[in-house]
Amino acid sequence: EPEVTQTPSHQVTQMGQEVILRCVPISNHLYFYWYRQILGQKVEFLVSFYNNEISEKSEIFDDQFSVERPDGSNFTLKIRSTKLEDSAMYFCASSVELLAFFGQGTRLTVV
Amino acid sequence: EDQVTQSPEALRLQEGESSSLNCSYTVSGLRGLFWYRQDPGKGPEFLFTLYSAGEEKEKERLKATLTKKESFLHITAPKPEDSATYLCAVQARNTDKLIFGTGTRLQVFP
Repeated sequence: EPEVTQTPSHQVTQMGQEVILRCVPISNHLYFYWYRQILGQKVEFLVSFYNNEISEKSEIFDDQFSVERPDGSNFTLKIRSTKLEDSAMYFCASSVELLAFFGQGTRLTVV
Repeated sequence: EDQVTQSPEALRLQEGESSSLNCSYTVSGLRGLFWYRQDPGKGPEFLFTLYSAGEEKEKERLKATLTKKESFLHITAPKPEDSATYLCAVQARNTDKLIFGTGTRLQVFP
């Protein structure tokens, strides 16, 4: 069964460093998303991406964040100058029509 | 403002003891309501999507229903492997994003 794949599963980084989280969406899906979940809190929308551009972004998704689809199969989230409060599970999702399927997440720990 | 509220926060059931989880929502034009299952440390796993009031979907021991203000996830004769957090999310018209509730943490004991 096709699935969304995320790497790495866990990333530890020093405050102020840049991290890149990677995702391989399901191959025939057209919409791609990043969500995050801070421990014990709701899953929150960050950004959606369609036709090689951002289609929607939340207030959280400021200049610290960027997304890219570098090669037609991968979808990345870059977080610049990480802060302690960026520690969370980051989920990639992809969808066809309205059905969004999520990856297993990357646990980002900023120390 | 679009919003999703789930209740109860936590539910403990004996194996075989049926119950229901509630998802109340306010949204400016519902495009779809979604139920996901989330195991600890994992991503949300898609269960159901409902589009209009009166719609029902079933999968094994789970049945989801939808009204204009809320959705229920009915669990019939649950088993320990049904233990998980169940997330409800809505998508409004003219938006890509899902708005999630805080979830109901279900524990089923043998």
